[in-house]
Amino acid sequence: AQSVTQLGSHVSVSEGALVLLRCNYSSSVPPYLFWYVQYPNQGLQLLLKYTSAATLVKGINGFEAEFKKSETSFHLTKPSAHMSDAAEYFCAVSHTGNQFYFGTGTSLTVIP
Amino acid sequence: DAGVTQSPTHLIKTRGQQVTLRCSPKSGHDTVSWYQQALGQGPQFIFQYYEEEERQRGNFPDRFSGHQFPNYSSELNVNALLLGDSALYLCASSLMMGAGFYEQYFGPGTRLTVT
Repeated sequence: AQSVTQLGSHVSVSEGALVLLRCNYSSSVPPYLFWYVQYPNQGLQLLLKYTSAATLVKGINGFEAEFKKSETSFHLTKPSAHMSDAAEYFCAVSHTGNQFYFGTGTSLTVIP
Repeated sequence: DAGVTQSPTHLIKTRGQQVTLRCSPKSGHDTVSWYQQALGQGPQFIFQYYEEEERQRGNFPDRFSGHQFPNYSSELNVNALLLGDSALYLCASSLMMGAGFYEQYFGPGTRLTVT
């Protein structure tokens, strides 16, 4: 069985501060892991993906995530938050890439 | 290069009615997946179509059905609508290319409201 847990449904950071969004996964086999961002009234946009290559993955808009097998984690980080980063962020896991299992999302607020 | 498109953008239906949502995949993609995203929740997998057949299905009742056409576009049909079917319905397309990783690209979604 595969599942994703996102700790913290709401995260607030000051503009320029570090962004850390947490994701832990459960998978019986090595997974593919993803982070998506969703702006209001829009679909999902892929930020980055882990597909068993480098454990530190760099994505768009300055985001990156590190796959830690020992901790079954794939936390999303960004060194310096920007106002435009305010959105809903979803972590997802897949075994084959066909069926994705999403977390419940983390709403990021950036305080000016 | 057009991405994934969905129609309509918004839809309001009454309980018991039937609805059809449409999706055109990203150019070059041959696989379409449908997701339901209830308010405040993550997307839930409904089913996936490839070569005009349903390949995988999530935990959704038979009221949810779909179709894929020869041009790879797809429809999602929901019969006997319930209030709980109100959600954002997302379509995602990908390329089925044997063993390996299939990145999914999402459309903007159709917002269905059941009253």
